[in-house]
Amino acid sequence: DVKVTQSSRYLVKRTGEKVFLECVQDMDHENMFWYRQDPGLGLRLIYFSYDVKMKEKGDIPEGYSVSREKKERFSLILESASTNQTSMYLCASRDSQGAGGYTFGSGTRLTVV
Amino acid sequence: QKEVEQDPGPLSVPEGAIVSLNCTYSNSAFQYFMWYRQYSRKGPELLMYTYSSGNKEDGRFTAQVDKSSKYISLFIRDSQPSDSATYLCAMSLFYGQNFVFGPGTRLSVLP
Repeated sequence: DVKVTQSSRYLVKRTGEKVFLECVQDMDHENMFWYRQDPGLGLRLIYFSYDVKMKEKGDIPEGYSVSREKKERFSLILESASTNQTSMYLCASRDSQGAGGYTFGSGTRLTVV
Repeated sequence: QKEVEQDPGPLSVPEGAIVSLNCTYSNSAFQYFMWYRQYSRKGPELLMYTYSSGNKEDGRFTAQVDKSSKYISLFIRDSQPSDSATYLCAMSLFYGQNFVFGPGTRLSVLP
């Protein structure tokens, strides 16, 4: 009964590497989101998308980009990973009416060394 | 001042206790309020979704909104060890708008 799937649970990458985090949802939701979660700071919105090929910056987009080529898939890209991007990354989706809340994936714990 | 604040805990209670989890917020225009539960190494899952002021009950959970005080609460009755998790509040201004999350309160229910 998995509805939002993040491809990796744990990732370890080196500083300067290009990192791809993948998210797939099977609920036909228009809206998809990428958050990072850090202790004491809670969830902070990185990017979101209202439709295929559309993207909007969230509160902390610096150092990140996204791609949404298909409705069900939303990718987060770290162009050149840095140690301050070590975090838990959460993908979420929501239907276009905004009814109900977000459905989250299980998260990807990224460590940049 | 952060837009949404929660005591990070940890809050430890014995099994069967009534738990009160709280959030305060600074923007009086928030109208839509949610509570999420997040187990360790999992994504958050929606518990309660309320609009404006008042109470909403669902089983052992009651969500309460006091807009005049800019304060929301989640009450858990007859708490169980399975309720041990981090609880996040979230809120938004308009229907369909992105939500702002609090940092979460970690709850531990001891058997």
